[in-house]
Amino acid sequence: DQQVKQNSPSLSVQEGRISILNCDYTNSMFDYFLWYKKYPAEGPTFLISISSIKDKNEDGRFTVFLNKSAKHLSLHIVPSQPGDSAVYFCAASAYNAGNMLTFGGGTRLMVKP
Amino acid sequence: SQTIHQWPATLVQPVGSPLSLECTVEGTSNPNLYWYRQAAGRGLQLLFYSVGIGQISSEVPQNLSASRPQDRQFILSSKKLLLSDSGFYLCAWSRGREDTQYFGPGTRLTVL
Repeated sequence: DQQVKQNSPSLSVQEGRISILNCDYTNSMFDYFLWYKKYPAEGPTFLISISSIKDKNEDGRFTVFLNKSAKHLSLHIVPSQPGDSAVYFCAASAYNAGNMLTFGGGTRLMVKP
Repeated sequence: SQTIHQWPATLVQPVGSPLSLECTVEGTSNPNLYWYRQAAGRGLQLLFYSVGIGQISSEVPQNLSASRPQDRQFILSSKKLLLSDSGFYLCAWSRGREDTQYFGPGTRLTVL
């Protein structure tokens, strides 16, 4: 049972445009959400996070939106750059479950120059 | 600053052979440590986590085991590898359960 889903395995965007990566979850106990970025043959690097008490968190070109009623979060990258090309994982955790991270399957973003 | 190391970077092993992957963290003490596996086309699956020396929790029953002989050392092992053990193994650490996890460079394991 996949509690965190990224339904788009890949996304292609033109440089300078907005990239929107989506993530859905089923466990209503999740209260903390993270996005990780991963290059091939490397470990994921933390990108941005959001607590369930917020609906938006912004860090430079990256913004994460959380819609708790829809159990949906998204990562917006604007403007997109070729160096953003990577696999993006969303992850969720629940305080009452020891804050263990549950990851989505990942979305491969390709930003074309 | 904190750094996390994993070795080897790549490994090719025959079915039925043993496995030992090592992870060490520098620059922090008493970290939470985690082992994940990324199988081809799939997300990251938590295998084991440890909150202290000798304390290991298993998330998924399988052919693998983990040990934490020292505060900043985490080892993933198997007595007999299966073809299905192939994947990309990632070690991660965090200061506490509620803190962000930071990942190592990973080990690409191919079982033939």
